[in-house]
Amino acid sequence: SYVLTQPPSVSVAPGQTARITCGGNNIGSKSVHWYQQKPGQAPVLVVYDDSDRPSGIPERFSGSNSGNTATLTISRVEAGDEADYYCQVWDSSSDHLVVFGGGTKLTVL
Amino acid sequence: QVTLKESGPVLVKPTETLTLTCTVSGFSLSNARMGVSWIRQPPGKALEWLAHIFSNDEKSYSTSLKSRLTISKDTSKSQVVLTMTNMDPVDTATYYCARISHLPETTVTTDWGQGTLVTVSS
Repeated sequence: SYVLTQPPSVSVAPGQTARITCGGNNIGSKSVHWYQQKPGQAPVLVVYDDSDRPSGIPERFSGSNSGNTATLTISRVEAGDEADYYCQVWDSSSDHLVVFGGGTKLTVL
Repeated sequence: QVTLKESGPVLVKPTETLTLTCTVSGFSLSNARMGVSWIRQPPGKALEWLAHIFSNDEKSYSTSLKSRLTISKDTSKSQVVLTMTNMDPVDTATYYCARISHLPETTVTTDWGQGTLVTVSS
């Protein structure tokens, strides 16, 4: 099945920009979604279809996808953004329909 | 308002069969643009997709767990049921059900239940 690779951790100071990558073979041809998960809570969708934001998600969250890498960008990082972030694709070409990345722990210094 | 709620045992013994129920509200399981997946997360580890059921009752399973999983739904009761056989301590995890929305441009997990922690231990 398809494999998505994320860095285990990313650290950033408040007010700076965090970039979390998600690598996959020709991922640019797929639709990538990003979820934020805080301790003890269910994941929350923050970016879908590479770069769209659900209602209620701040504009500070944005996404891009090209080639073999998709990226979640969080601008003007706040302490409340500290969480685990997961990328995900829906792979309709496979029996294994839903693939998640291994997750990235965002630490706000 | 869309809600999903998981229910089932909190503790199962090794080799037993786990049965989890997801009760949904705010949408119909017969809606062609929606489906339900089960996803789990062992403590401190990543999310892992398990199974999906479409509105037309078509099913799809994790390739690594397919032999142990069965997903089904009762549209009249707004429930989706997952069974997992031959449980092992490594199956200890929080189990989530989630609504999958089939949008014109993409398919995405839009809503999640709160999750239920299942511990496998003798």
